[in-house]
Amino acid sequence: TQLLEQSPQFLSIQEGENLTVYCNSSSVFSSLQWYRQEPGEGPVLLVTVVTGGEVKKLKRLTFQFGDARKDSSLHITAAQPGDTGLYLCAGARYGGATNKLIFGTGTLLAVQP
Amino acid sequence: EAQVTQNPRYLITVTGKKLTVTCSQNMNHEYMSWYRQDPGLGLRQIYYSMNVEVTDKGDVPEGYKVSRKEKRNFPLILESPSPNQTSLYFCASGRNDRVSSPLHFGNGTRLTVT
Repeated sequence: TQLLEQSPQFLSIQEGENLTVYCNSSSVFSSLQWYRQEPGEGPVLLVTVVTGGEVKKLKRLTFQFGDARKDSSLHITAAQPGDTGLYLCAGARYGGATNKLIFGTGTLLAVQP
Repeated sequence: EAQVTQNPRYLITVTGKKLTVTCSQNMNHEYMSWYRQDPGLGLRQIYYSMNVEVTDKGDVPEGYKVSRKEKRNFPLILESPSPNQTSLYFCASGRNDRVSSPLHFGNGTRLTVT
C-alpha cells in the first residue's frame, strides 16, 4: 500500500512561532488535500491543490504542491493555540476519485499560549 | 445543520460478539465511506459506497461488512470482532466520488475489543 509520510510526527511550539509540515511520497498524485482534525472530532478539509507548483493561502496557512506532484507542504505563520490539532494530508492516486484517496500518517501540532 | 452522525461514540466489547456502528448523513450525498485511524498509519479506507446498493472494498476490508439499503445510512458491521480491530472509526460522505466534492466526516467511534 502506498504511504504518504508526514514530518514531523509531533510538534510543540510557542504561540507566535512559524512552522512547516511536510507530506512526501514516491508516487505522483493527481491532487492533494490537507485536513485538520481536532480532539474528539473528524477531519475537516482545509484545502485541495491540483496543479504542480500550486500555492494556496488560507489566512495564516500556506499550502504548496510540489512541482512533480509527489509532495506538499503546509506553512503556518504566527501560530495560535487555535491551530492545535492533527494535520493530515491526503493524495488522490489517479482519476481524481475520492475512493482512491491515500491519507498521510499525520502531524500532531500543539501550540502553547 | 449538515452533518454525518455516528453511533455509538465509544464502544467496548469482547472478542466474537457481533456489533454494528451506525452512520447517517442528512446531505443527500451519494458517496459514503468508512475509515479506521490508527497511530502512525493515518486513515485507511475499509469500505465505500457510490450509491444505494453499490458498495466496494477499500484497502483494509477484512473482518468488516457494510450495507447501503438507503441513501442516508451506511452501517459498519463486525460479525466477529477481534482485538486487532480496536481502533478509531470514521464515517464520511461526499456529494459524489470526485475529489472536487469535499468529504464530510463524522465525529468518530472509538472501539475497544478485549
